[in-house]
Amino acid sequence: AQTVTQSQPEMSVQEAETVTLSCTYDTSENNYYLFWYKQPPSRQMILVIRQEAYKQQNATENRFSVNFQKAAKSFSLKISDSQLGDTAMYFCAFRDSNYQLIWGAGTKLIIKP
Amino acid sequence: SAVISQKPSRDICQRGTSLTIQCQVDSQVTMMFWYRQQPGQSLTLIATANQGSEATYESGFVIDKFPISRPNLTFSTLTVSNMSPEDSSIYLCSGQRASAGPDTQYFGPGTRLTVL
Repeated sequence: AQTVTQSQPEMSVQEAETVTLSCTYDTSENNYYLFWYKQPPSRQMILVIRQEAYKQQNATENRFSVNFQKAAKSFSLKISDSQLGDTAMYFCAFRDSNYQLIWGAGTKLIIKP
Repeated sequence: SAVISQKPSRDICQRGTSLTIQCQVDSQVTMMFWYRQQPGQSLTLIATANQGSEATYESGFVIDKFPISRPNLTFSTLTVSNMSPEDSSIYLCSGQRASAGPDTQYFGPGTRLTVL
């Protein structure tokens, strides 16, 4: 069975700093998708970034980028120039062959002014 | 991205009653899902809502407790039946639209349910 592990329950950084959230997963599949979602206090789940496993190039969306290490089954999220609005729960998710998302436990990120 | 709305946004209900949550998507989606999220925790998949047929439930969730309908591609409902305080949670629906990028799920704003 696939599993997703986020080992950092909570992190806090100063505004404008760079922060990296870790995520590891376990699967026997070769083709799959990985996602990072953000859930601010408003509880709206927002897609941050997506990575296709068959692509070697790491995905990037503005200040958000990933470090995808397929052999190590690692999928970390880097947030550059962090902003107060980045304060949220961040969830790593793996899409299985049944199109369902397997979720990590989440990391609470606090950006301090 | 798909725009997904949910009604109600929150509700406070008495034990033993039922609540139906509606989920509307602004465009056709290939798949729709219902999740439960306990405060401070991750998401747990309740079921996949199938158009015109019975939903596919995950282990620990049954149709009698969480009946789901999906009469068309853009609308689904989840009913929480015979509620108890343990059902207090956030309920989220999501839709997956292949044209928006493969396998990306977009989420509604959630329904916060409190059972007294």
